[in-house]
Amino acid sequence: AQTVTQSQPEMSVQEAETVTLSCTYDTSENNYYLFWYKQPPSRQMILVIRQEAYKQQNATENRFSVNFQKAAKSFSLKISDSQLGDTAMYFCAFMKYGGGTSYGKLTFGQGTILTVHP
Amino acid sequence: DAGVTQSPTHLIKTRGQQVTLRCSPKSGHDTVSWYQQALGQGPQFIFQYYEEEERQRGNFPDRFSGHQFPNYSSELNVNALLLGDSALYLCASSLYLASAKNIQYFGAGTRLSVL
Repeated sequence: AQTVTQSQPEMSVQEAETVTLSCTYDTSENNYYLFWYKQPPSRQMILVIRQEAYKQQNATENRFSVNFQKAAKSFSLKISDSQLGDTAMYFCAFMKYGGGTSYGKLTFGQGTILTVHP
Repeated sequence: DAGVTQSPTHLIKTRGQQVTLRCSPKSGHDTVSWYQQALGQGPQFIFQYYEEEERQRGNFPDRFSGHQFPNYSSELNVNALLLGDSALYLCASSLYLASAKNIQYFGAGTRLSVL
């Protein structure tokens, strides 16, 4: 079974600054996907960024980037130029590779509440 | 393009009752997954439906059951409600294809309160 751990229950950052959220996971699988989702007070879970384990290059999406360390089983999220709209609960999630299909289940961490201050 | 829609948004039930939650997937998606999210916690996988069959199931009792219809929409049923069933129930849709990049799109959830 897979486990995902987010050791930072809460983080805060000033607007325009950079913040890094931590995530570690445990799995015996070699092929898998890792995700960061954000959940604002509106409750809707929104995909932030996705990483395929077989790719060594770290994923980036505009102001969001990850530091993926497969050997260390670490997957941190860096948010640059933080904006007030980034305030949300952030979840790290793991999905086992489905062997060519998309039926995998997501295993989530406990979440990190990020507050961006003006 | 409509995203994932869930109904109702909020529901209040008493212990022992039964509840049905509904989900319409994102246009073009054929797979629906259900998650339970307790307050302040990460979502927990309940089960997933594709081609009207349950394909995977998490560690939830048989009181939790589901259904998928030919139009890909889905229902989550919970029988004999317990206080501990109070949570946000999230529906996620995706495509049952490798090219879908395994991305699941979520609805805004149904908040269930059991009194």
